[in-house]
Amino acid sequence: ETGVTQTPRHLVMGMTNKKSLKCEQHLGHNAMYWYKQSAKKPLELMFVYSLEERVENNSVPSRFSPECPNSSHLFLHLHTLQPEDSALYLCASSQETGPIGAFFGQGTRLTVV
Amino acid sequence: DQQVKQNSPSLSVQEGRISILNCDYTNSMFDYFLWYKKYPAEGPTFLISISSIKDKNEDGRFTVFLNKSAKHLSLHIVPSQPGDSAVYFCAASATNFGNEKLTFGTGTRLTIIP
Repeated sequence: ETGVTQTPRHLVMGMTNKKSLKCEQHLGHNAMYWYKQSAKKPLELMFVYSLEERVENNSVPSRFSPECPNSSHLFLHLHTLQPEDSALYLCASSQETGPIGAFFGQGTRLTVV
Repeated sequence: DQQVKQNSPSLSVQEGRISILNCDYTNSMFDYFLWYKKYPAEGPTFLISISSIKDKNEDGRFTVFLNKSAKHLSLHIVPSQPGDSAVYFCAASATNFGNEKLTFGTGTRLTIIP
């Protein structure tokens, strides 16, 4: 149990679908992140939320829309995705001050068909 | 342009021997380095870290060495155990007043041979 929970674990969606990925952290952290892991590529940071405000958007296409309603929850809303968006999407959280290091969820394996 | 590089995609080591995983970085602003371990179907888990004010950090069987002049760090695992078989990611950050942002390498798959 890492303290960061992602649902669903697997998702298959068509290019015209709308779906959402959910992340919860029970560690009392005040920063949350979405990462994308594609095959044979480094983990790519997508979005950073600090104290529920988006502080970073790493040139992510608008078909990915994050939402952070409170410090414990983070969503990634997906719409009109492309097959190349198929990847493992990882949520992470950390404490802004103090020891550095992010705790990751188990990820959502997304397949776009 | 990859700022954190793990040039060995895979490594096989006999059980009981030392495993050495290497990582190079290019951004001189990086001042904190972390190693993560990832099993299949799981998210990465934090393993060990080192600040740029140190050149070595040890935690049980795991030791991380940092060579700032060479912009190189390595993770030593000794003795290696079958449960150490996983993908190891090196990550680096440049701390500032606010969020740290981790930049990851592509990972090295370590296989421990019984």
